[in-house]
Amino acid sequence: DILLTQSPGTLSLSPGERATLSCRAIQSISSNYLAWYQQKPGQAPRLLIYGASSRAAGIPDRFSGSGSGTDFTLTISRLEPEDFAVYYCQQHGYSPWTFGQGTKVEIK
Amino acid sequence: QVHLVESGGGVVQPGRSLRLSCAASGFTFRNYGMHWVRQAPGKGLEWVAVISYDGSDKYYADSVKGRFTISRDNSKNTLYLQMNSLRGEDTAVYYCAKDRWELHGAFDYWGQGTLVTVSS
Repeated sequence: DILLTQSPGTLSLSPGERATLSCRAIQSISSNYLAWYQQKPGQAPRLLIYGASSRAAGIPDRFSGSGSGTDFTLTISRLEPEDFAVYYCQQHGYSPWTFGQGTKVEIK
Repeated sequence: QVHLVESGGGVVQPGRSLRLSCAASGFTFRNYGMHWVRQAPGKGLEWVAVISYDGSDKYYADSVKGRFTISRDNSKNTLYLQMNSLRGEDTAVYYCAKDRWELHGAFDYWGQGTLVTVSS
């Protein structure tokens, strides 16, 4: 199984600040198969980024993804109040599909 | 627009069975792979199973293999998850999710989830 480890577990920031979230895979994965999701309490996850760096439909350009091989990053350039949530990375190229354990972005 | 609506959740005793459904609309259902993902209370996301666009390929998480069966009816635009021999650790919100591709795409649309509680 491809284990994905996200760091940090919790990120405490203020609105307007920059958030940098990390996702590290235990083995190299194709960038085509790395996605990021946002989940707010009581809601289903929402796709933010696919193919490591492509924004999904309707996602603001303050969200960006980068990386390759085993190291991937989600960056939120300037946090808006609605961005405080839990973020998950996922690899979807190899069975079993796997998610990271999540990074919670909370208001400082 | 795309809508995915899960149903069939509830409280069930350990060892019993339950079948979840996911009604899809707003896209050509038969062209896309479909997944089940679950989330135990207060925990992260766990992928459960996937079925390819035509039902020919199915994959399962080890935690459910041999107990759960994923299926689809493309004539009814509906995805199913038959869950047998349920255990306490199967307690979770179960989401259906649409694959962007036939099988190995990201999950671009999700349902609102249905809660399954396994308890005596």
